[in-house]
Amino acid sequence: DTAVSQTPKYLVTQMGNDKSIKCEQNLGHDTMYWYKQDSKKFLKIMFSYNNKELIINETVPNRFSPKSPDKAHLNLHINSLELGDSAVYFCASSASGVNEKLFFGSGTQLSVL
Amino acid sequence: AQTVTQSQPEMSVQEAETVTLSCTYDTSESDYYLFWYKQPPSRQMILVIRQEAYKQQNATENRFSVNFQKAAKSFSLKISDSQLGDAAMYFCAYRKGGSEKLVFGKGTKLTVNP
Repeated sequence: DTAVSQTPKYLVTQMGNDKSIKCEQNLGHDTMYWYKQDSKKFLKIMFSYNNKELIINETVPNRFSPKSPDKAHLNLHINSLELGDSAVYFCASSASGVNEKLFFGSGTQLSVL
Repeated sequence: AQTVTQSQPEMSVQEAETVTLSCTYDTSESDYYLFWYKQPPSRQMILVIRQEAYKQQNATENRFSVNFQKAAKSFSLKISDSQLGDAAMYFCAYRKGGSEKLVFGKGTKLTVNP
C-alpha cells in the first residue's frame, strides 16, 4: 500500500481555472506538508499542518488554500491558476518530532496553459 | 535565514567507483539536522541519510556515508561502489531544531556511467 498518495499525478489546465490536488497518508502521522518543485528542480515548502492545524505558511499567494479535513488528509486548492503555478507539487508527512523523516508522495505535475 | 548550497549542478561517476557530492549550509543555530534526499526519474523523493548536528560521528547507510564538518558547515555525501540505480538528483536539506521546515539545496544531478 502506498504510504503517501496524491492525486492526480498529472494535471493540465487553462489559466484562470480552479483546481485541487488531494493527498492522503496511511502512516498515522501527525504532520503533513505541501512542497513545490519548480522547473529548475528547486524544492520549497509551502504549508505544514499538524493535527489539522496550520503550522507553516511560507508566503504563498492567497490563491493557494490548503485544507485538512482530518490528520490523514491535506488537500491543496488553487484558485485562478497562473502560468507561474506550473510545477510539481509534493505532499509529505512525518511523525511528531523534528528528527522524523519525511515521507513524500510521488508528486503532481501541474501544467497551466 | 538558513541557506543550503550545492555547488555541483551535475556530477558523473563510473559504475563501481566512488563519488562525493558537496553541500554547505549557513546557520547560526546549534541544534539542527541535515539530510540527503534522492530523486530518481520516477520523481519519488527518497531519504538517503540523515545526521544530527550534535552527533560527532558521521552517519553511514550501507554504501552511503557523510562527511560532516560542523565548524566548516559542510555536509558532503559519499557514494561508494556506485550502481546504475544511484543515478538521480540528490538534494541536501537542513532542518532547524524545533522547526517543521525543511530547507533544500538546488540539487546535484548524478549520472552513473556503465
